[in-house]
Amino acid sequence: GAVVSQHPSWVICKSGTSVKIECRSLDFQATTMFWYRQFPKQSLMLMATSNEGSKATYEQGVEKDKFLINHASLTLSTLTVTSAHPEDSSFYICSAVLRDRGNYGYTFGSGTRLTVV
Amino acid sequence: QKEVEQNSGPLSVPEGAIASLNCTYSDRVSQSFFWYRQYSGKSPELIMSIYSNGDKEDGRFTAQLNKASQYVSLLIRDSQPSDSATYLCAVNPAGGTSYGKLTFGQGTILTVHP
Repeated sequence: GAVVSQHPSWVICKSGTSVKIECRSLDFQATTMFWYRQFPKQSLMLMATSNEGSKATYEQGVEKDKFLINHASLTLSTLTVTSAHPEDSSFYICSAVLRDRGNYGYTFGSGTRLTVV
Repeated sequence: QKEVEQNSGPLSVPEGAIASLNCTYSDRVSQSFFWYRQYSGKSPELIMSIYSNGDKEDGRFTAQLNKASQYVSLLIRDSQPSDSATYLCAVNPAGGTSYGKLTFGQGTILTVHP
């Protein structure tokens, strides 16, 4: 099946530094990638939608200058958390759109646990 | 009103029983519906997708969709302790030939006890 490889699976960084998270589609082309954030005991919250070759679309309340998304190729999308602070500590998950027997389906990366200290 | 709402949990069932998970959605034009299972600390994994009214069965799982009532459910037969997880209902407002942003319910925690 279609696989989205997400790295790193966990990262600890110091406050004020930046962290890059990568999502690669391994056996299909991901034209669109969604980026989610999940806090403990909460559901997934959509942060932004990225489309290959164009600027990402951010959800209301998400700072585009803080969460930089790049989708330069059909197999790679990245999320960079800039000047991270402890409140950015969360579980970040990417999701790619793919055709599923005539309908569209969504496959998720394995997630990145970010801890900012 | 929440766009996608799931029955409040946590839900606890004995091993071998049927677990019933429910979800309602507010956007009447929604066309695609998904059930995901999420273990603690892991990302969601797809259990079932359903696009048409009626039932869809896959092994021990049955998804039921009623667009008139804006209701989708997931039944898990012969529940196993390994089914213990958070189940997320997700709705795509777009039709089958296009896609949109998934909207997730808040999740229902299921515990299957031996």
